[in-house]
Amino acid sequence: AQKITQTQPGMFVQEKEAVTLDCTYDTSDPSYGLFWYKQPSSGEMIFLIYQGSYDQQNATEGRYSLNFQKARKSANLVISASQLGDSAMYFCAMRGRSYNTDKLIFGTGTRLQVFP
Amino acid sequence: KAGVTQTPRYLIKTRGQQVTLSCSPISGHRSVSWYQQTPGQGLQFLFEYFSETQRNKGNFPGRFSGRQFSNSRSEMNVSTLELGDSALYLCASSFGGDTEKLFFGSGTQLSVL
Repeated sequence: AQKITQTQPGMFVQEKEAVTLDCTYDTSDPSYGLFWYKQPSSGEMIFLIYQGSYDQQNATEGRYSLNFQKARKSANLVISASQLGDSAMYFCAMRGRSYNTDKLIFGTGTRLQVFP
Repeated sequence: KAGVTQTPRYLIKTRGQQVTLSCSPISGHRSVSWYQQTPGQGLQFLFEYFSETQRNKGNFPGRFSGRQFSNSRSEMNVSTLELGDSALYLCASSFGGDTEKLFFGSGTQLSVL
């Protein structure tokens, strides 16, 4: 079975500082993908970054980077230079490649609050 | 390019009724997935459709069903509503590859009284 664990229910960070949101996962699939999504109060889920399990380098997308440690089964999101608009819920998600794991499953989320 | 459109945005129903939610994917996208989001259970996968065929489904009772039309638009139906069905229902679309990011709509907030 696949599982995503986000142990930080809430995080605070000061504007312009960097913050790391933790995510660990469990899967028996040899190949899988990891995703991070942001959900503002409006409700819409916004894609941030993707990491494939066989990708050699950590993914980066602008101010977002994914610290992928395959042996530890962790996929932490790093947001550099936080902005007030980064305040939102952040979800880590995973998708496997076999029939019963070929669906996106989400962690419980971390609420990030950025203060001036 | 228009995003994923879900209608209605809000819905209030009573126990025992049925409800149909609609999702229009981004033009060209052939995969549509549905998710239920509640404070207690978080985000849970309902089902995914690709080219009018259900490709995968989550662990929900048979009261939850869906379909996809030839233009990729999708509907989700919940029959015999229960109080616990109150949730934000999110629809997402993509071209269909398993490494692709999903584009989500703003959701339909369903309240069952």
